[in-house]
Amino acid sequence: DGGITQSPKYLFRKEGQNVTLSCEQNLNHDAMYWYRQDPGQGLRLIYYSQIVNDFQKGDIAEGYSVSREKKESFPLTVTSAQKNPTAFYLCASNKNPGLDPDTQYFGPGTRLTVL
Amino acid sequence: DQQVKQNSPSLSVQEGRISILNCDYTNSMFDYFLWYKKYPAEGPTFLISISSIKDKNEDGRFTVFLNKSAKHLSLHIVPSQPGDSAVYFCAASVRAQKLVFGQGTRLTINP
Repeated sequence: DGGITQSPKYLFRKEGQNVTLSCEQNLNHDAMYWYRQDPGQGLRLIYYSQIVNDFQKGDIAEGYSVSREKKESFPLTVTSAQKNPTAFYLCASNKNPGLDPDTQYFGPGTRLTVL
Repeated sequence: DQQVKQNSPSLSVQEGRISILNCDYTNSMFDYFLWYKKYPAEGPTFLISISSIKDKNEDGRFTVFLNKSAKHLSLHIVPSQPGDSAVYFCAASVRAQKLVFGQGTRLTINP
């Protein structure tokens, strides 16, 4: 059955290390997104990609990097430059952004804790 | 600058009664609005949406109302059930581009 998977569910890293979060979708969606959620705050957009080999910065891109080499995959790297990386990270996708009103569907999330 | 605001961090409602969650926005270009429901440590799940050409959309127990002149939307859940206890986010977009989310409202349904 189709969906969005994120792995792992929980991730621990030492301060100063880069870490890559996985996001895969088999929905044949064109666009993919990365958000982070902090306690008491809404979802803030980190990066998004509307097509393979292309991506744009969201509202809080500093300290993060992404790639979109395949339609199904949109990994997010949290670099050591990210000042406050501990958060809940959510990946989302939708089919045809900008063509029709469209709904984003979310993965289960990855809780990253930097020690 | 918070373009989408949910001013109530929490709401408590008795089971069987109506739950009303509110959301205000500042960008008059927003033309599509959505509500998501989120349980702890899970991704948000889509509930209901509304286009700016409508003022009401209904799906079972869930109804979303849009008041464009007031830049306000609300989600009504009736009757409220224990399983509705979650955090609810409203979100908005311009021409189906990237979504802007509110801060969320934690809804608790009491037996």
